[in-house]
Amino acid sequence: GAGVSQSPSNKVTEKGKDVELRCDPISGHTALYWYRQRLGQGLEFLIYFQGNSAPDKSGLPSDRFSAERTGESVSTLTIQRTQQEDSAVYLCASSLRQEYNEQFFGPGTRLTVL
Amino acid sequence: KQEVTQIPAALSVPEGENLVLNCSFTDSAIYNLQWFRQDHGKGLTSLLLIQSSQREQTSGRLNASLDKSSGRSTLYIAASQPGDSATYLCAVISGTYKYIFGTGTRLKVLA
Repeated sequence: GAGVSQSPSNKVTEKGKDVELRCDPISGHTALYWYRQRLGQGLEFLIYFQGNSAPDKSGLPSDRFSAERTGESVSTLTIQRTQQEDSAVYLCASSLRQEYNEQFFGPGTRLTVL
Repeated sequence: KQEVTQIPAALSVPEGENLVLNCSFTDSAIYNLQWFRQDHGKGLTSLLLIQSSQREQTSGRLNASLDKSSGRSTLYIAASQPGDSATYLCAVISGTYKYIFGTGTRLKVLA
């Protein structure tokens, strides 16, 4: 079956614009995670979904960041009024269920804010 | 607070060498540890997952060990090949479901 997919693969935007990043998890995976990887830094956790609820949003850097998920399917990460420091690779992962299961990662979306 | 460290940060070896990558973590109460490979500009590929009750996992030329009590894991790569060149990341889950990642080891295998 297909793995985790993300779109777009690359996004260049101007400072102040809003962007939406999409993640399609592996079918049947109930848990979905968003991470961010800024240049030269490690991966940072952003948010986690179990089904369509988000029990942990603690990693979202500011209120400009939000995410939603439709059922146990697609998730979108929205960044409003983008800033240059938002430039990063945004990675999505899914797992069969939340309890410490192996996470499978998508290819990421490279966001560049000019 | 869990912290994950990987040593060395970068490594360059000739083809055919066996090598060891190290990962250490500060909180030994982990649920699992996973090793990933990240090719330049790409996403993460899972290599090996070690549950907390396990001590090692093997896949092909790769062997990962886990010593929870000392807060260490090693990834052993046998007979390295140029195609092994990538960044290798370890990540742990402890206390919560989110992975805490190390900063990685950049490996270059020279032909």
